[in-house]
Amino acid sequence: EIVMTQSPATLSVSPGERATLSCRASQTISSNLAWYQQKPGQAPRLLIFGASTRATGIPARFTGSGSGTEFTLTISSLQSEDFAVYYCQQYDNWPPYTFGQGTKLEIK
Amino acid sequence: EVLLVDSGGGLVRAGGSLRLSCAASGFIFNSYSMNWVRQAPGKGLEWVSSISTASSYISYADSVKGRFTISRDNANNSLYLQMDSLRVEDTAVYYCVREWDYFDHWGQGTLVTVSS
Repeated sequence: EIVMTQSPATLSVSPGERATLSCRASQTISSNLAWYQQKPGQAPRLLIFGASTRATGIPARFTGSGSGTEFTLTISSLQSEDFAVYYCQQYDNWPPYTFGQGTKLEIK
Repeated sequence: EVLLVDSGGGLVRAGGSLRLSCAASGFIFNSYSMNWVRQAPGKGLEWVSSISTASSYISYADSVKGRFTISRDNANNSLYLQMDSLRVEDTAVYYCVREWDYFDHWGQGTLVTVSS
């Protein structure tokens, strides 16, 4: 089973600033990585697939990068609606599909 | 518009059974693999089960293998999860999820609570 590890667990950033979230896979997963955003009381929403391709309707301030075992989600100029929990997920080697434990992005 | 509507959750005693349903619309249902993903209260996301377009390939997380059964009805655009021998640790919101390698559309979720 591929283990996905996200860091940090919580990230405090001021609106308008940049946030950088990390995700590491326990073995290489090529670019078969997705990022999801989840707000309280809502279902997760797909942000990024293929490590760097934005899903339909996702603003350009969300950027995914990386390949192999190291991945990054960068959110430039944070807006109020961006404060949420973010999960990475690998779909390279399954079953099982595996998620990271999540990074909570909170307002500083 | 892609729409996935989850239903069937509720309160059940440990050892009991429950059947979840997901009604799909807005896309060609039989062209997509489908999944169930769950989230325990205050916890992260856990993949539960996957079913291919014609039900020829089915997989389960080890935590539910032998207790849960995924199925689909392509004629009625529906996905199901039969959950037997439920445990307290199965308490979670269960999401129906469309798959295109990654999980591109999610239902709103249905809460399953298993009491001891």
